[in-house]
Amino acid sequence: EGQLVESGGGLVQPGGSLRLSCEGFGFNFGNFWLSWVRQAPGEGLEWVANIQQDGSGKNYVGSVRGRFTISRDNAKNSVFLQMNSLRAEDTAIYYCASPSHMTQQAFDIWGQGTKVTVSS
Amino acid sequence: QSVLTQPPSVSAAPGQKVTISCSGSSSNIGNNYVAWYQQLPGTAPKVFIYENNKRPSGIPDRFSGSKSGASATLGITGLQTGDEADYYCGGWDNGLGAYVFGPGTKVTVL
Repeated sequence: EGQLVESGGGLVQPGGSLRLSCEGFGFNFGNFWLSWVRQAPGEGLEWVANIQQDGSGKNYVGSVRGRFTISRDNAKNSVFLQMNSLRAEDTAIYYCASPSHMTQQAFDIWGQGTKVTVSS
Repeated sequence: QSVLTQPPSVSAAPGQKVTISCSGSSSNIGNNYVAWYQQLPGTAPKVFIYENNKRPSGIPDRFSGSKSGASATLGITGLQTGDEADYYCGGWDNGLGAYVFGPGTKVTVL
């Protein structure tokens, strides 16, 4: 069964930068689009970005477009989220999520999340 | 403001049935698969229904999904205290070029 493990969260000042990492284990990581999903305190889920298997295709939610960049390194079974110009409203738990052999149409594998706090 | 609409909460007594609606448009639910996720407090979401009405291995058949037009429904029968959680619908939105989640519905067992 597949597993995802995120890292890189922390406290950062408004306007600062942070790079999140997510490593996959136990499944064919390179076969799937990978996504980042976030959840602000007390709020619902918000999809942030995804990246195609070979890294050529990327999509972003409007509120992060131009500030966040998603990338991946299939040789290291890893996906990254570079977050620049951070704002207070980016404060959230960030999850890495992936489809699986079961379906390409839903997120079957989730990480445990990494917490990002943007505050002065 | 989500493009998918869900009721904020539903509740019922143990053993009873609840349904959660998810309303969208032709840009999302109307032309794409819907998934349902359960999130227990302090944990990552877990997919309970995928491709509108399919259950992953290990998910009880008390949970069911359906879709009609641009709306989807999650049904839970034989409600148990362990079903208390937040439930989110989700799917791809062609117009936004983004995956969208509903605002979530809190299920309470009375």
